[in-house]
Amino acid sequence: DAMVIQNPRYQVTQFGKPVTLSCSQTLNHNVMYWYQQKSSQAPKLLFHYYDKDFNNEADTPDNFQSRRPNTSFCFLDIRSPGLGDAAMYLCATRTRNTDTQYFGPGTRLTVL
Amino acid sequence: DQQVKQNSPSLSVQEGRISILNCDYTNSMFDYFLWYKKYPAEGPTFLISISSIKDKNEDGRFTVFLNKSAKHLSLHIVPSQPGDSAVYFCAANPNRDYGGATNKLIFGTGTLLAVQP
Repeated sequence: DAMVIQNPRYQVTQFGKPVTLSCSQTLNHNVMYWYQQKSSQAPKLLFHYYDKDFNNEADTPDNFQSRRPNTSFCFLDIRSPGLGDAAMYLCATRTRNTDTQYFGPGTRLTVL
Repeated sequence: DQQVKQNSPSLSVQEGRISILNCDYTNSMFDYFLWYKKYPAEGPTFLISISSIKDKNEDGRFTVFLNKSAKHLSLHIVPSQPGDSAVYFCAANPNRDYGGATNKLIFGTGTLLAVQP
């Protein structure tokens, strides 16, 4: 089945230790999104790729970076995680000419 | 400031009855809305959507109503089933460029629906 896959599902890192979260998709969608969701809050868009074009949200901290080496994969790099970065990170994709986004299961990040 | 608001954090309904989940938005320029459903340990899944040119969209047991003058939409589930128990997110597209590069979604905080057998 075509899907959006996120690895790992659970990630534990230490304060200040860089961490990379992975997203892959078999849908061949050209747009990929990264969201941060904290407990009882709305998913918050961090950035997205439209094909190879990177679009950063204005309030996304510089600590968060992203890479998209090809259509199928997108990575979220957190350069120096702080305690406030502990959250669920959701990856989503969509194809052109639609509004519907398809989400992966998320990665739960814990910062010790 | 929240542009999409779901003021009820939770809702409990008996099986077979109607569930009504509400959502308010602040910007009258928003013209496309979606509902997502999320089970624990899974990502949100698309449920139903509505464009501002309509005031109602129906898909099986799920109906979304849009009241543009009130900047309010609601999701009706009839009849409710225990498997509908999940968190429901309302989302709006604030800058609809018909699938283009700036197309994105703003989410509400979600409503936890519990359907009691």
